[in-house]
Amino acid sequence: GAGVSQSPSNKVTEKGKDVELRCDPISGHTALYWYRQSLGQGLEFLIYFQGNSAPDKSGLPSDRFSAERTGGSVSTLTIQRTQQEDSAVYLCASSLVGGLSYNSPLHFGNGTRLTVT
Amino acid sequence: DAKTTQPPSMDCAEGRAANLPCNHSTISGNEYVYWYRQIHSQGPQYIIHGLKNNETNEMASLIITEDRKSSTLILPHATLRDTAVYYCIVRVEVEGNKLVFGAGTILRVKS
Repeated sequence: GAGVSQSPSNKVTEKGKDVELRCDPISGHTALYWYRQSLGQGLEFLIYFQGNSAPDKSGLPSDRFSAERTGGSVSTLTIQRTQQEDSAVYLCASSLVGGLSYNSPLHFGNGTRLTVT
Repeated sequence: DAKTTQPPSMDCAEGRAANLPCNHSTISGNEYVYWYRQIHSQGPQYIIHGLKNNETNEMASLIITEDRKSSTLILPHATLRDTAVYYCIVRVEVEGNKLVFGAGTILRVKS
């Protein structure tokens, strides 16, 4: 079946511009996560959605970063006034959350590679 | 948080079993052990997870010690395509149950 889909796969933008990154989770998955991975670094948690609400935004690095999810499905991560340090691969994951949510694996997309020049 | 400790790198001969260790001595309660791997330029790929019992699927086996303080991921017949970074993660029982990734083990499968 279809996995997590992210678009665009690559994005080059100029410093100071706004960007939007899109994530289409696996159909029926209620939980959605955003991570980012800078070059040669580990995965850094950004935000978690359960349905359309975001109970955990603790990983968003600044108020330039925001995310929303509509219809319990597609999510958009927006970065305003991009900086060079925002360059990274932004990864989205979804999971089918049941009664024991920590028993539901996260399934990742292949990410959006963002380059800020 | 229950943290994990993994060796930074390992080598394995093609066709042999790859045994990747992980220590999680502070694991508690209903915290699951998850394994993911990441091949260059791809998102992390789910491999397997377990709580107490050993688990096996089409990709790998997961052996968890009786005291749950350590586990081993076994790839029974490693191929060159198994070269990747392997992450052992203890999923903490907090809101969101996000996965916290460490540095992982770089597994190099050699012919």
